[in-house]
Amino acid sequence: GAVVSQHPSRVICKSGTSVKIECRSLDFQATTMFWYRQFPKKSLMLMATSNEGSKATYEQGVEKDKFLINHASLTLSTLTVTSAHPEDSSFYICSASGSGNQPQHFGDGTRLSIL
Amino acid sequence: KNQVEQSPQSLIILEGKNCTLQCNYTVSPFSNLRWYKQDTGRGPVSLTIMTFSENTKSNGRYTATLDADTKQSSLHITASQLSDSASYICVVGSGGSYIPTFGRGTSLIVHP
Repeated sequence: GAVVSQHPSRVICKSGTSVKIECRSLDFQATTMFWYRQFPKKSLMLMATSNEGSKATYEQGVEKDKFLINHASLTLSTLTVTSAHPEDSSFYICSASGSGNQPQHFGDGTRLSIL
Repeated sequence: KNQVEQSPQSLIILEGKNCTLQCNYTVSPFSNLRWYKQDTGRGPVSLTIMTFSENTKSNGRYTATLDADTKQSSLHITASQLSDSASYICVVGSGGSYIPTFGRGTSLIVHP
């Protein structure tokens, strides 16, 4: 089946650091990639949607200058949390889908901890 | 407004028992409905995907049903195992948008 690889799986860093998370579709072309944030015992919260070669569409309340998304190719999207602070600590999950209304395939998430 | 409601919010059952999770949706136009399993600290994994013309889909001990007329779906888990403890998420895709609508999930705990 379709595989989405997310890296790194765990990041611990100091406040003020910028952190980049990669999301790769390994065996299909991901026309659309989604980035989610999830707090403990809560549902996934969509942060932004990106189509290859276009600017990401951010959900209301998500700071685009804080969470930089780049979808430069059909197999790679990156999320950069700029100048991260402890309140940015969370579980970040990416997903990817092919053309049309294809189902999403999820990465395994990145646990971000800002000290 | 497109919405997906799941029930119950949480469920505790004994190992070996069956259980059924519910999903009601108001997404229109409907495209597909998917059930995902999310283990703690992991990304969601697809269990079943159903389109408008399908009313049942099985994946091992997991069987999903879909009633497009009443806009309801269920996920039935047979002979539950400890490893079934997870959050089960119902996701409905719309023909009018490439952004699907997520339910809040049902948290299932299987006790020995």
